[in-house]
This record gives sequence, C-alpha cells and structure tokens, in this order.
Amino acid sequence: GNSVTQMEGPVTLSEEAFLTINCTYTATGYPSLFWYVQYPGEGLQLLLKATKADDKGSNKGFEATYRKETTSFHLEKGSVQVSDSAVYFCALSDRDGNNRLAFGKGNQVVVIP
Amino acid sequence: EAGVAQSPRYKIIEKRQSVAFWCNPISGHATLYWYQQILGQGPKLLIQFQNNGVVDDSQLPKDRFSAERLKGVDSTLKIQPAKLEDSAVYLCASSFLRNSGANVLTFGAGSRLTVL
Repeated sequence: GNSVTQMEGPVTLSEEAFLTINCTYTATGYPSLFWYVQYPGEGLQLLLKATKADDKGSNKGFEATYRKETTSFHLEKGSVQVSDSAVYFCALSDRDGNNRLAFGKGNQVVVIP
Repeated sequence: EAGVAQSPRYKIIEKRQSVAFWCNPISGHATLYWYQQILGQGPKLLIQFQNNGVVDDSQLPKDRFSAERLKGVDSTLKIQPAKLEDSAVYLCASSFLRNSGANVLTFGAGSRLTVL
C-alpha cells in the first residue's frame, strides 16, 4: 500500500538557518504529494503540493520538488523564522479517485531566536 | 469562507464510556473525512463520506466506532465503549471534489480525546 516516511526526530535550529525535512514515499502509480503544516493549537493546513514528476511546489519561502527517480519530496526553506515553528507532515494522495491522504509521522520544527 | 467546525475541542472520559464528536464542513464540500491522530503519529483515515454515502470505512474499528452524515452536510463520530488507546485528536476534513488526486483537504482544529 501507499506510505510516507519522514526523517526521525524533532528539528531544532536557529533563526535564519536553512531547513530541510526529508520525505520519501512508496506508492503504486503516480501519486500527488503534499506538505501540510500544523501550528500550535490549530488544524492542519496545506503548505504546498506537486502533482507530477519534477513539479516544484512553493509557498511562504518553502519549496519541495517531486522526484520520481528517488521517490522523494523533501521540504526546504532557506532562512527560517520563529513563526515557522510547527509540525510538518508529508502526505500523498493516490489517483484512484478517493482523494485519500496517507500521512507521514510528522516532524516538529522548533526555531530559536 | 468559514472553515471546518468541530466540537467539542476537548473531552475527557473514563474507559468504557461513550463520546460523540461533531463536524460541520465547508459549505458546498461534498466529501468529508474523519482522521485519528495519535500523539507522535500522522493522521490516519477512519472514514470518508461522499455526500451522505460512505466511500471508505476500511480502517474504522466498527465494533466501537460509528459515524454518520445523514443529510450530506454535518457529521458525527461516536465511540462506544471507549478504550485507553482511543486517546487521540480526531480531525475532520472536507474537500470539494472527490475525483481528483490533487484535491486539497481543509481540516478543522480537531477534537482532543483523553480516555482515563
């Protein structure tokens, strides 16, 4: 079945540092890929998405590129801010019409001033 | 537009008791989802509705969980009797179209359940 694997453990970094969160997936066919973010006390929000190979999703300074050859969708931001502190989830949606999302475990990101 | 509304935000019950959660999706969204998010894990789909019909309930523990969406708008998720391992955040989400793998789900803030 479809699955998403995110790197282990929380990520703590200083303001203006470079952020990378790794995400790899297993799927049949060609899924759509997403990053969702969950700020403290809030629901999950879509951060960005990509629907086909080599697509790059971007939003709020975050980017992720759909790499079919490595089955990856790593999230990056060049200079993080304290307000980026949140939990980030990688997810995929297959194309069978059900639009069902499979999520990774999530990564807590803490940005220190 | 108004977001996905959920209530209650927090609920504490003892094991073997029952609990119900309510969700009102975004107006016009035909598809509604209930996810379970256990601490430290990603959300797991429990059930998916298209209008008032069930599309997927393969991961719903049907011996204790039930859900309905009678008029194709709001939905309730019930747990009876609750177990300790049901402690989680229950997320409701909705989307406009079903037949597209790129559709975006809009999530509510969730209902946090603690079973003692």
